[in-house]
Amino acid sequence: QKEVEQNSGPLSVPEGAIASLNCTYSDRGSQSFFWYRQYSGKSPELIMSIYSNGDKEDGRFTAQLNKASQYVSLLIRDSQPSDSATYLCAVALSGNTGKLIFGQGTTLQVKP
Amino acid sequence: DTAVSQTPKYLVTQMGNDKSIKCEQNLGHDTMYWYKQDSKKFLKIMFSYNNKELIINETVPNRFSPKSPDKAHLNLHINSLELGDSAVYFCASSITTGGAETQYFGPGTRLLVL
Repeated sequence: QKEVEQNSGPLSVPEGAIASLNCTYSDRGSQSFFWYRQYSGKSPELIMSIYSNGDKEDGRFTAQLNKASQYVSLLIRDSQPSDSATYLCAVALSGNTGKLIFGQGTTLQVKP
Repeated sequence: DTAVSQTPKYLVTQMGNDKSIKCEQNLGHDTMYWYKQDSKKFLKIMFSYNNKELIINETVPNRFSPKSPDKAHLNLHINSLELGDSAVYFCASSITTGGAETQYFGPGTRLLVL
């Protein structure tokens, strides 16, 4: 079983719609969760971090965490073509080593 | 000013050669990392240094040797390059605030081994 799993997609949504990206992880002791956005040919860029169960909102982005289900998601409201990118879910392993395990990423396509 | 910088941006070389990639961060972070992203976009940690001390050393061939001359620099030397080493190598640095660590990535070095 992979440590962090994402559906590779592509996930295609029309402009203005809500894009929902999902991620599951296997380490029950993990406490820190991150969403990175990576445009083609560019480096990963941190867009959201979440540490507690529930929702965390930042502009058009909402991260949701459910530790009991070992599930973290990212919602993008009012999706724009500029949101088209690969979204990487990253989980910090328990033990405070700083080691991040990344999922394979979900490619999002927002169509005008 | 670029927070995490890497050189070179592109590296094309022949199999069997030895090459180095350099990374510098001007954020004052204590921890730096090397990641490898393969053709399937899977990003995997290779090494981590905290204030010049090796913290994480994943199952990486010993042809790969990181060196941290000071906490602002983390270089990666690769001996006897192989075709499978072709990938994008990202350097990152991190800061811990309120018990939570956040990593910031450099622009990447695209290595192609022929």
